[in-house]
Amino acid sequence: EVQLVESGGGLVQPGGTLRLSCAASGFTFNRHWLSWVRQAPGKGLEWVANIKEDGSEKYYGDSVKGRFTISRDNAKESLYLQMNSLRVEDTAIYYCTRDSFSAWWHYFEDWGQGILVSVSS
Amino acid sequence: SYDLTQPLSVSVALGQTARITCGGDNIGAKIVHWYQQKPGQAPILVIYRDGNRPSGIPERFSGTNSGNTATLTIGRAQVGDEADYYCQLWDSGTSVFGTGTKVTVL
Repeated sequence: EVQLVESGGGLVQPGGTLRLSCAASGFTFNRHWLSWVRQAPGKGLEWVANIKEDGSEKYYGDSVKGRFTISRDNAKESLYLQMNSLRVEDTAIYYCTRDSFSAWWHYFEDWGQGILVSVSS
Repeated sequence: SYDLTQPLSVSVALGQTARITCGGDNIGAKIVHWYQQKPGQAPILVIYRDGNRPSGIPERFSGTNSGNTATLTIGRAQVGDEADYYCQLWDSGTSVFGTGTKVTVL
């Protein structure tokens, strides 16, 4: 059974930093792209970033480009999201996902339960 | 950026068929996926690559994609199908979600 467990969320002030982690199990970690997807309170889904199996390729959504960094540690079977210069509008539940990715498609096969990040003074 | 437009809400009578549309410029040339999200829960994948069902998803769920509209169809709708539904695709190095549709079973 695929399990994705996020941690590291919480309350942070605007301009602050936070690092999310996602511990994975139940699948061959180094054979899958992974993503972070977020959902602001009462709003829809927004893709944040994704990363290739070996970490050599990364893509970011426009709203987080230059502020967030996605990374992974295949030995620890963990995914990370370093969030800098946080804004009030970054407040959301952040989901870790296991992806299917090719030159023609990208979708989210499995999702973690999510972790809340609140940015407020 | 590529925009995906969904109706805000769709209502369906118990046991009838619900159709949720996802509109985008020439979306039929792209590959679309669908997610179901119930209140307080993480989304789950219900249709991938236009019309394929993951294991465990009932055959009542189906998808099509042509022209400027992709469609998720829920046959023989049940109370347990009440949820928000999102379409999604990959375009020019970006993953895009639709605006989301709330399905109510009457």
